[in-house]
Amino acid sequence: TQLLEQSPQFLSIQEGENLTVYCNSSSVFSSLQWYRQEPGEGPVLLVTVVTGGEVKKLKRLTFQFGDARKDSSLHITAAQPGDTGLYLCAGAKYSSASKIIFGSGTRLSIRP
Amino acid sequence: DAGVTQSPTHLIKTRGQQVTLRCSPKSGHDTVSWYQQALGQGPQFIFQYYEEEERQRGNFPDRFSGHQFPNYSSELNVNALLLGDSALYLCASSLGDRITYGYTFGSGTRLTVV
Repeated sequence: TQLLEQSPQFLSIQEGENLTVYCNSSSVFSSLQWYRQEPGEGPVLLVTVVTGGEVKKLKRLTFQFGDARKDSSLHITAAQPGDTGLYLCAGAKYSSASKIIFGSGTRLSIRP
Repeated sequence: DAGVTQSPTHLIKTRGQQVTLRCSPKSGHDTVSWYQQALGQGPQFIFQYYEEEERQRGNFPDRFSGHQFPNYSSELNVNALLLGDSALYLCASSLGDRITYGYTFGSGTRLTVV
C-alpha cells in the first residue's frame, strides 16, 4: 500500500510554463520532504515542511504543507530545462526514530 | 565534508548468489537507512540502523539483512538473489533524533541479477 500518492505521474511542459505537483495521503505526517532525483543518482533534499499550512520558497519553487499535514504541493514558476527530473515527496510519521516513506514520484520533463 | 559514499556503484550477480553492499554515512550522522528503488518507482524502505541495531524494518523478506559498525558505516546483505532483486539500492544517512529533517542519500548501487 502506497501511503503517499503523487500526481501526475508524468508531466511534459514547455519551458517558461508553470506547473504544480501534488502529494496526498490519508495519514498525518510529522514532516514532509521534497526531493529531486537525476538519473543514476540518489535523491537530493530540496525542502522540509513541518508545520500545517507552512509555505516555503526556493527560488522558483514553492512548497506548501496542508493544514491537516496530510498533503503537500510543489509549484514551479517559469519552468526551465534544468528542472527536469524525478520529484519525490516523502513523509515522516514521527519527529524521531521514524522511517521516511516515499511517494512513487512525478517525472518532469521541460522542453526547450 | 564527504557526503554518503556507497560501494560498489554497479554489480552483476547470478540468481541464487549472495551480495554485500556498503555505505559510509555523512560525517556527523549516526543513522543509516537502506532503500530499494525499482526502475520508475519511488524508493521502498528496507530497514534502518541506529546504534548498531536494526531499529525499523520494511516489508522485505529475511533474505535482506544488515549491519552497522561502531564507526556508523553499514552493510546490506541479500541472500539467494532473485531476478526481482534487480534495482538501485540507496543508502541514506541522518542524525538520530532529526529524521524529520530528511536524509542525505548516496548515489546508490545498481544491482543487476541475471
